[in-house]
Parts: sequence; C-alpha cells; structure tokens
Amino acid sequence: AQSVAQPEDQVNVAEGNPLTVKCTYSVSGNPYLFWYVQYPNRGLQFLLKYITGDNLVKGSYGFEAEFNKSQTSFHLKKPSALVSDSALYFCAVRDTFRDDKIIFGKGTRLHILP
Amino acid sequence: SQTIHQWPATLVQPVGSPLSLECTVEGTSNPNLYWYRQAAGRGLQLLFYSVGIGQISSEVPQNLSASRPQDRQFILSSKKLLLSDSGFYLCAWSVLQGLGNTIYFGEGSWLTVV
Repeated sequence: AQSVAQPEDQVNVAEGNPLTVKCTYSVSGNPYLFWYVQYPNRGLQFLLKYITGDNLVKGSYGFEAEFNKSQTSFHLKKPSALVSDSALYFCAVRDTFRDDKIIFGKGTRLHILP
Repeated sequence: SQTIHQWPATLVQPVGSPLSLECTVEGTSNPNLYWYRQAAGRGLQLLFYSVGIGQISSEVPQNLSASRPQDRQFILSSKKLLLSDSGFYLCAWSVLQGLGNTIYFGEGSWLTVV
C-alpha cells in the first residue's frame, strides 16, 4: 500500500539552529512528494514539492527538502530556525494510481525555542 | 490568481441538526475539489472528492454527504449531526495537469456539535 510516514510527533529546536523534519514514503513507481505547513486554526499552506530533477528542492520561507531515492526519504530542512517556524508540518505523496488523490502523513509539530 | 473561499469559519450546532459548509474556488476551471476533516489538530482524513459537476466520490462511510452543483462550488452536508462530527473541516482544490498537481487548501471551518 502507498503511504507516507512522519516518525516524529514533535521536534524541538533552538532558534538559530538548523532544523530537520523527517518523512519517508512508500509508493509504486516515481514518487511525487509535497510539504505543507499549518499554523494554529488555519488551513494548510503549500511549502514545496518534488516531481523530478534536482534532489534538493527549495520552497517558501527559506525551507528546502532533500529527496533521497535509496532511503525513500524526503526530509524538510532549514539552515536557521525562527520562532515563527513553529507550526504543524505535513508530508504528502501523490497516489500513483490515482492522480487526483494525495496521501498525507500524520504531521509533525515543530517547536522553535527562543 | 486562484483563490478558495470556505464558510462559515466557525459553527456550533446541536446534535441532530443539519449542516451545510460551502466552498468556492475562483480563478480556475474544472478543478478537482476535496473535503478533509482534521481531528484533534493532527492527521487529515479525506472525506469526499470531486472531479466534475455531480461527480462525488466518498472515501469513508459516515453521516456526511457532499454535492457539487456548479463547477467551482463544493458543499458538505449532513441531515442530522452527531457529536463525533465535530472537527476542523478543510476544503481544497487542485487542477489536473499531470501527477505533479498541488492541492491548495481553504482556511477551514471549525464545527462543534453540542
């Protein structure tokens, strides 16, 4: 079955330090991967996506993600965390059998400590 | 540019009462439309999706229904609400342009059933 996993419920990072939010996936065929961010009581905002090409994808708010095919991972990264980055982050993968369906991970809550 | 509107933003309804949440998308034609529910501020559950007027697919059996009376309008309904229907409901859209489609979300509707 196709799936995406976010192994950490919560990640704590000190402000100014680099951050990583982990995501692994399991799909048949080529993966199409996404990251979204959700601030409290708001809808999800699209951050970035990987379709093909360069394994390092740059997105909004200084975030980037690295696609690693051998490890089936798509970790979200930022070189220097801001307190305002505190939010809920979702990794997602498009269902390769149903291009109108996207599968979300359960989310990782990121806390940036001042 | 495309925008998505979802209303009402918050709703408190008694058990057994009806429900209608509405969503409209502007700036695009023939979008795929989605209703998600998010419980306890975490994972997303896909409830319904639609690839065209009158075409609704249900992902899970439940007390809710969806309709798409116009190309860019998507409505989530219930005839009789249950306590378990409480949650954060998110409408979303995407445009079918291949497997790399991105889903964009509305701001959500908080439903509390009392």
